[in-house]
Amino acid sequence: SQQGEEDPQALSIQEGENATMNCSYKTSINNLQWYRQNSGRGLVHLILIRSNEREKHSGRLRVTLDTSKKSSSLLITASRAADTASYFCATGPWGGGADGLTFGKGTHLIIQP
Amino acid sequence: GAVVSQHPSWVICKSGTSVKIECRSLDFQATTMFWYRQFPKQSLMLMATSNEGSKATYEQGVEKDKFLINHASLTLSTLTVTSAHPEDSSFYICSARYLYTYNEQFFGPGTRLTVL
Repeated sequence: SQQGEEDPQALSIQEGENATMNCSYKTSINNLQWYRQNSGRGLVHLILIRSNEREKHSGRLRVTLDTSKKSSSLLITASRAADTASYFCATGPWGGGADGLTFGKGTHLIIQP
Repeated sequence: GAVVSQHPSWVICKSGTSVKIECRSLDFQATTMFWYRQFPKQSLMLMATSNEGSKATYEQGVEKDKFLINHASLTLSTLTVTSAHPEDSSFYICSARYLYTYNEQFFGPGTRLTVL
């Protein structure tokens, strides 16, 4: 079932600005992951944050997780044209990795040069 | 490391034919592989989970007789879309997990299926 819900559905910003995307989910999770997908391509894993973590950084990416609110955010700083893509959050179920991921609907990000 | 490939990248077939899609883990042994489908401008939906040497577990609403999954080895899983119809046209993506990456899945590049 579709658990994650991202907002906004689409976002267009100028190159150099920061982009923030949010994700909400419904059930208990073991971890939450963010992926990027360029048009018609496969997924690129960006970052995984575990349920006992609150914030994680990777280069220009910053992810936060609030398990009390069942929400996460992805911040991309100093955006570049190459960041144009769809971004999905995906939750891994509590109980381990034996199950597939549940993906949100995604945010389509457009970086204008 | 942790590379997953899919073959073919895209396929066009006539209605009524069967299509096989391969998913391979190139540099690790995948104890579990997952199959997802994605319709245009939509998110990924899990179709089934396959563990090496056992029958696949299908998500609710996915017809197991239509989407045959075989995971005969630790590096290969196949998805066969039997008697394909235009509504089966979609982007099919596999992912693989191995024993020591409990929470992380490695995704293939996807296969675009178009049924005429």
